[in-house]
Amino acid sequence: NAGVTQTPKFQVLKTGQSMTLQCAQDMNHEYMSWYRQDPGMGLRLIHYSVGAGITDQGEVPNGYNVSRSTTEDFPLRLLSAAPSQTSVYFCASSYGGSGGNTIYFGEGSWLTVV
Amino acid sequence: SQQGEEDPQALSIQEGENATMNCSYKTSINNLQWYRQNSGRGLAHLILIRSNEREKHSGRLRVTLDTSKKSSSLLITASRAADTASYFCATAGNSGGSNYKLTFGKGTLLTVNP
Repeated sequence: NAGVTQTPKFQVLKTGQSMTLQCAQDMNHEYMSWYRQDPGMGLRLIHYSVGAGITDQGEVPNGYNVSRSTTEDFPLRLLSAAPSQTSVYFCASSYGGSGGNTIYFGEGSWLTVV
Repeated sequence: SQQGEEDPQALSIQEGENATMNCSYKTSINNLQWYRQNSGRGLAHLILIRSNEREKHSGRLRVTLDTSKKSSSLLITASRAADTASYFCATAGNSGGSNYKLTFGKGTLLTVNP
């Protein structure tokens, strides 16, 4: 049981390049999400998914694209990288249902856009 | 916008002392969660308290929730140098299925000196 796995851990991009951050979970969780964390800030929600084939926008979705073709995977695509997207990105997953469920986070992906 | 706001932003104590961190939020919640983040690492879930609960304990951690004041506190007793980390509160909303979408505060940086 690996939990939530993110790759790559570190990446440097040039402005305008595109890339995909990978996220996979092996806990059969329905819900998956992507957050970004900037210096001195908490995490902000980018996109989320409530199940395969269903995605929606979070607080800061601009410049990012997601898809959810399987329960296990939830990749985050940067369409045309900008310096403002330099950040640490965290993928998270949890079971469905109401009443509160523990959310499990990956170890993070450090992205620098130059 | 960030719902949870931690106080203080930074806290420095001696080993063996207790550490108290506070979190205030603005809108009604389904649950409130506390997370810990070691420098350069992902977030680790500490404790979840539901809106109908007032206090929860887990080992040396004690969390309280006052929904009338829209505030929560995290107490770490008998602190250790290994407790040095950033601590974040995060709230989950009440609308259907939104309990998996967390809104984070900016965090409290706790330093425990040996």
